[in-house]
Amino acid sequence: EVQLQQSGAELVRPGTSVKLSCKVSGDTIIAYYMHFVKQRPGQGLEWIGRIDPEDDSTKYAKKFKNKATLTADTSSNTAYLKLSSLTSEDTATYFCTTLGQRDYWGQGVMVTVSS
Amino acid sequence: DIVMTQGALPNPVPSGESVSITCRSSKSLLYSDGKTYLNWYLQRPGQSPQLLIYWMSTRASGVSDRFSGSGSGTDFTLKISGVEAEDVGVYYCQQGLEFPYTFGAGTKLELK
Repeated sequence: EVQLQQSGAELVRPGTSVKLSCKVSGDTIIAYYMHFVKQRPGQGLEWIGRIDPEDDSTKYAKKFKNKATLTADTSSNTAYLKLSSLTSEDTATYFCTTLGQRDYWGQGVMVTVSS
Repeated sequence: DIVMTQGALPNPVPSGESVSITCRSSKSLLYSDGKTYLNWYLQRPGQSPQLLIYWMSTRASGVSDRFSGSGSGTDFTLKISGVEAEDVGVYYCQQGLEFPYTFGAGTKLELK
């Protein structure tokens, strides 16, 4: 059974960065494109971007191009989302997912940006 | 970017009633391979989203046959035949045709 395990909740200061992890178990990460999705409290789903762990190629939504950085480590079967220059607008739950026909989701990680 | 626009439901819905959720895309999602790249997800309260339908009308593994998807290149419908308590949540359509992938704003289903 494929599972995506995300790192724990984060409380971070404005202006700093945070790096979230998403570990794949039950299969090799290179079998999937890994996507990240943002959900602000009480709001809908917003696609951030995706990485192909086989060649590290990435695609981002325009609004996240200077905010998010996706990386992957095939040796640990883990994908990462780094968020930089954090503001209150970044307070949200972030999901990793394979998104699509073979669909798996992490449990989500809550990031709170507050001084 | 492709804009996804979802309709609302007349909540609350009586248990056992059938409902249809609509979604419209600003561009045809029909690709040259004959597939229409439209997915439907359900997010139950407090949970991660789960895939219900992909390629507009193919049910994901383990999904009840009470759920069915249909449509054209730009207009789509998710039908739930006989809503049950476990169907409560927010339904999202999502296009997977081109980057950036985009979601509709969501349609909430509440049960009476």
